This record gives sequence, C-alpha cells and structure tokens, in this order.
Amino acid sequence: EPEVTQTPSHQVTQMGQEVILRCVPISNHLYFYWYRQILGQKVEFLVSFYNNEISEKSEIFDDQFSVERPDGSNFTLKIRSTKLEDSAMYFCASTPGQGRGEKLFFGSGTQLSVL
Amino acid sequence: GDSVTQMEGPVTLSEEAFLTINCTYTATGYPSLFWYVQYPGEGLQLLLKATKADDKGSNKGFEATYRKETTSFHLEKGSVQVSDSAVYFCALASGGSYIPTFGRGTSLIVHP
Repeated sequence: EPEVTQTPSHQVTQMGQEVILRCVPISNHLYFYWYRQILGQKVEFLVSFYNNEISEKSEIFDDQFSVERPDGSNFTLKIRSTKLEDSAMYFCASTPGQGRGEKLFFGSGTQLSVL
Repeated sequence: GDSVTQMEGPVTLSEEAFLTINCTYTATGYPSLFWYVQYPGEGLQLLLKATKADDKGSNKGFEATYRKETTSFHLEKGSVQVSDSAVYFCALASGGSYIPTFGRGTSLIVHP
C-alpha cells in the first residue's frame, strides 16, 4: 500500500530556532494535514491544505506556524521560533478527497524536542 | 466543540482475553466515528469506522457499534493476541469539512 513519508523521525532543536518538518504525501492525494500529539495528550489538528492553500486551521496554528507545498511531492510544516511547549510528535496525513467517512493516511511522525 | 474521551491506559491483558476500550464523544449533528491503531514505529492507520447510528464497524476481529443514545463507540475484541499490542485512537468527523478529531489514545499491552 502507498505510504506517507515523514522526515526526520527525530528532530532536536534549541528554543528560538526555526525547524522544518517534511512530509511526502501519497502521490494522487489532494488533501494534506498536520496533527500533533504532546506527550500524554490528545492528537490535535493543526492545519489542512488543499489546492495550494490552507483550507482550515485550528487555534493552535498561529503566526509562528506555516505550511508549504514547495514542489509536486513535498508538504512542509515550518515553526519559525520554537518554544519548549512545541515539543511533540508531529504527524502528517493525506487523503484523496474530503468527506464523511474519509480515511486518513498517516506518516509515522516526527518527534520534535525543543531544549 | 467536538471531542472524544477514551479510557486511560495502559490496558494490560493476557493473550486470548476479552478486550474493551471505551470511547464516548460529544459532537454536533451526526458524526462519523473511527478507530485508528498505531503499532510501534508506525503511523496511525484506520482500523474500522461507522458512519451512522447502529452501524457496526469491524476489522481483524475488532468490532465497534455506533451508539447514538449513549454517544459511545466502544472497541471490542473477543480474543486478543500479542500482535494486537499497540495504541488505539478513537476519532470522530463531523461538520462541513469532516476533519477528524482524535482522543488521546489507549495503549494496549498483551502478554503471552
């Protein structure tokens, strides 16, 4: 089965630094998502992306976050100035469409540690 | 807003034991309900789903029934295996965009 690929699997950074988390969605999928899970907490929706623009975002997704599809295959999440509380597992996902009962295809995640 | 509440883990069972992982939800309208599973080192993957009341989703011996009257979608399996050890996430999708809302996950550990 096709897979969503995320790199790196682990990222350690200093507070205040910029990080870019990378994802390669499944090639014929049109909708892309970022979620995160802080240790012990719920998996939280950050943002969805369709047709080269943000289609929906949560209140977590503030000005320090941005997403981009720089070419035909990659989908990136940038955190401009990391904070300690950004430490979490970040999951990328994609779907061919968006609707009732749609299955999300997830990557294996990037564990971000902010020191 | 929409939310999902799962029972706290870890749930520790012996092989062939009966499994129940509780999930209740709060949502506007009529959500679709899901269980996702995450095996060690892998991403979340869809285990089963139900899109309307009284529907039963099933896969790999796991079952869950959409109970509108109790707003629940409990996951069950009659006889667990060591290979079922994983983290299980309950989720719902509703509203115009149907972007899933997840719970915190319940870790299942099955001993031989």
